[in-house]
Amino acid sequence: KQEVTQIPAALSVPEGENLVLNCSFTDSAIYNLQWFRQDPGKGLTSLLLIQSSQREQTSGRLNASLDKSSGRSTLYIAASQPGDSATYLCAVRQGNQGGKLIFGQGTELSVKP
Amino acid sequence: NAGVMQNPRHLVRRRGQEARLRCSPMKGHSHVYWYRQLPEEGLKFMVYLQKENIIDESGMPKERFSAEFPKEGPSILRIQQVVRGDSAAYFCASSPRQSSTDTQYFGPGTRLTVL
Repeated sequence: KQEVTQIPAALSVPEGENLVLNCSFTDSAIYNLQWFRQDPGKGLTSLLLIQSSQREQTSGRLNASLDKSSGRSTLYIAASQPGDSATYLCAVRQGNQGGKLIFGQGTELSVKP
Repeated sequence: NAGVMQNPRHLVRRRGQEARLRCSPMKGHSHVYWYRQLPEEGLKFMVYLQKENIIDESGMPKERFSAEFPKEGPSILRIQQVVRGDSAAYFCASSPRQSSTDTQYFGPGTRLTVL
């Protein structure tokens, strides 16, 4: 059974710092891995999607990497801003379980001005 | 192109009542997924539907919960005889097809409170 874990559960950094969020999964048979952002009381916004054959994806100040063999992904945020404060969720899509996503518990990020 | 629409955004029910949550996928999307986010927990998959078909309901509680996605109209998640433990945020997501390259687009969620 696939399990997704995110570390740390919460992170507080001063504005301008570069930071890394971690995601690990127990079953490497995945189709893809997605990083989402969730603001309080709101829905999810997709940030990056990495296919199982890819090693990384970049969008602006965000870079996500994927190491399937070790069951790990990282989300790198460069030059953090207060507007980056949110909960970041990692989700994997299994190769043999249709389209459903399996989510980690999330990392709650606070960027202090 | 409007995003995924969910209504109502907030729903209050008393124990024993029925809750009906609606989800309109993005235009052109025929795949709908429902997820539940309990307080202090992560999102959990409930059910995956295509038009008129339930593809995967492995995450649905066996009793009181049902889902449909008719040929016309929105997808409906129905909870009968609600209990306090059903209080949660319910999110709907849609995608155009089941492909490894397709992201799922999420709606804003319906926050159900059971008194």
